Amino acid sequence: QSVLTQPPSVSGAPGQRVTISCTGSSYNIGAGYDVHWYQQLPGTAPKLLIYGDSNRPSGVPDRFSGSKSGTSAFLAITGLQAEDEADYYCQSYDSSLRGSVFGGGTKLTVL
Amino acid sequence: QLQLQESGPGLVKPSETLSLTCTVSGVSITRTSFYWAWIRQPPGKGLEWIGSIFFSGTTYYNPSLKSRLSISVDTSKNQFSLKLSSVTAADTAVYFCARVWELPAAGRFDPWGQGTLVTVSS
Repeated sequence: QSVLTQPPSVSGAPGQRVTISCTGSSYNIGAGYDVHWYQQLPGTAPKLLIYGDSNRPSGVPDRFSGSKSGTSAFLAITGLQAEDEADYYCQSYDSSLRGSVFGGGTKLTVL
Repeated sequence: QLQLQESGPGLVKPSETLSLTCTVSGVSITRTSFYWAWIRQPPGKGLEWIGSIFFSGTTYYNPSLKSRLSISVDTSKNQFSLKLSSVTAADTAVYFCARVWELPAAGRFDPWGQGTLVTVSS
């Protein structure tokens, strides 16, 4: 099982808002290490979506936002669109494992 | 525009060594302050960081793979490579290479190569 815990799946109707959580511990998110989020469309490589907890790379719509509180981080997607259907992964650093760690991934289904 | 491309055998026998190369185009590895990384994804599963390397040869490895792992860089070819020894079926995965921003083991990965599937089977 992953060091960072994500729900296996979330779903929402077009236009709605969904939130994906990423729960860690005092060795990673809780220690203040940056959290990054990736979107992986079927059959493609992951794409950086959010970096440094809440920053969007150029070209990422502002429908995507990130936040962090305590030992958890959150990815929010507003105005859901069919093209948002993908797997989403969080990533951070873990001081006990001394390396980068990922969440197990969350499959977003747009109903 | 920076691009990364993985290459190497798609099939490796158990107990042998998996070898992959990532070719970087659009920027010289030696003219940047970035680290470069390998990440893998078993079929239908999540992502696992393998390790990161700087053009000087400084490396950071996933402790769970360290005893079998070697990552090297060839600045003359603008490439970096992965060798994973004593492979088993558990090493079957899509292997990605990526650029690392900021910290070698904590930074974000962007961009990524398209990935290459390596199957371990006799």
